[in-house]
Amino acid sequence: ELKVEQNPLFLSMQEGKNYTIYCNYSTTSDRLYWYRQDPGKSLESLFVLLSNGAVKQEGRLMASLDTKARLSTLHITAAVHDLSATYFCAVDSQTGGGSNYKLTFGKGTLLTVNP
Amino acid sequence: NAGVTQTPKFRVLKTGQSMTLLCAQDMNHEYMYWYRQDPGMGLRLIHYSVGEGTTAKGEVPDGYNVSRLKKQNFLLGLESAAPSQTSVYFCASRIDRGLPNTEAFFGQGTRLTVV
Repeated sequence: ELKVEQNPLFLSMQEGKNYTIYCNYSTTSDRLYWYRQDPGKSLESLFVLLSNGAVKQEGRLMASLDTKARLSTLHITAAVHDLSATYFCAVDSQTGGGSNYKLTFGKGTLLTVNP
Repeated sequence: NAGVTQTPKFRVLKTGQSMTLLCAQDMNHEYMYWYRQDPGMGLRLIHYSVGEGTTAKGEVPDGYNVSRLKKQNFLLGLESAAPSQTSVYFCASRIDRGLPNTEAFFGQGTRLTVV
């Protein structure tokens, strides 16, 4: 069964600092997704990583995927308070045969950016 | 374009009562998912569907049933509600995985309390 592990689960950082959130998964997959969730809200898609070596950047966030290491990272550069949220990674996995794909989420990283 | 709509947004049930949560999407997506979100547990997959008329079990299917009679709708049923089913339920949909932009789009969530 696919396991998706994020670390850290809680991250408190100061504005202006850099940090990385890690997402490890246990079985072969070539697609990984990052989502953001604000308190009491739904999930919003941040990045779709479709292949080994994929790197995507949006503002102060950059995501990468290493399918051989089964690892994705979400790097935060010069954090600002508006980035405070919970960040989830999710991994595609095929179940059975054919087109059965399910999406498995990590437990999330609660990021708090302090002034 | 409404995206993914969940009905209802809030509900309080008594133990043993039954109810159905409705998820509707207007994006012609093939895949639909039901998740539950509990503190510290991330999102856990209850059931999913890879097309009209199909359903499959996820990680935590016990106590729930689903149906996908029409492509745009995915229903989640609680047969006999228990306090352990108190949670926030999210529905998500995504286009066929064969296309590049395969991120899932989420509904706004249903907050269910079983007393």
